[in-house]
Amino acid sequence: GQNIDQPTEMTATEGAIVQINCTYQTSGFNGLFWYQQHAGEAPTFLSYNVLDGLEEKGRFSSFLSRSKGYSYLLLKELQMKDSASYLCAVRPAGNNRKLIWGLGTSLAVNP
Amino acid sequence: EPEVTQTPSHQVTQMGQEVILRCVPISNHLYFYWYRQILGQKVEFLVSFYNNEISEKSEIFDDQFSVERPDGSNFTLKIRSTKLEDSAMYFCASLDREGGTQYFGPGTRLLVL
Repeated sequence: GQNIDQPTEMTATEGAIVQINCTYQTSGFNGLFWYQQHAGEAPTFLSYNVLDGLEEKGRFSSFLSRSKGYSYLLLKELQMKDSASYLCAVRPAGNNRKLIWGLGTSLAVNP
Repeated sequence: EPEVTQTPSHQVTQMGQEVILRCVPISNHLYFYWYRQILGQKVEFLVSFYNNEISEKSEIFDDQFSVERPDGSNFTLKIRSTKLEDSAMYFCASLDREGGTQYFGPGTRLLVL
């Protein structure tokens, strides 16, 4: 089967750093995505990793280890508007390019 | 910046009725998807569409569902006879090329009564 695991909820303080972990077991691997989703809205693309290592994009960074089936999203200098659900999604091998999604991690940023 | 659009934003329907959800993908994109998200649950893949045909569909996408790209811009999802459990947020997404990023529309919230 295909499975993506993330913590359900996390809490952090404004200005701090938070790391959201994701582990996956899928039938092949062709990239891992992080999306942000505010309640009642569409997922918004944050980052993409297909090779091992760290991808940095402003306040957001994402890390991938394919051998461990592991990724994390790092959010720095947290702001109140970062309170949202963070979804880890994997594109399995194959040509259809569908995404398999985790349940998402609900992040609450407190003042 | 180009974006995926969806209409309507909300749809309320009676069980057994047909609904059509509409999407306009980003204009130069080639791959199209429908996903759904039941309240409080994960996003679930329904169907992917490329080159005017379905390339993959999930177990959810049974005979009650169909997709069409009737012209060069619209991409529709039809549910023939809605059930209560079809109540969900339905997202359309499009992708420009293999290996690219899927961009999502704002979603249609469907409520079946």
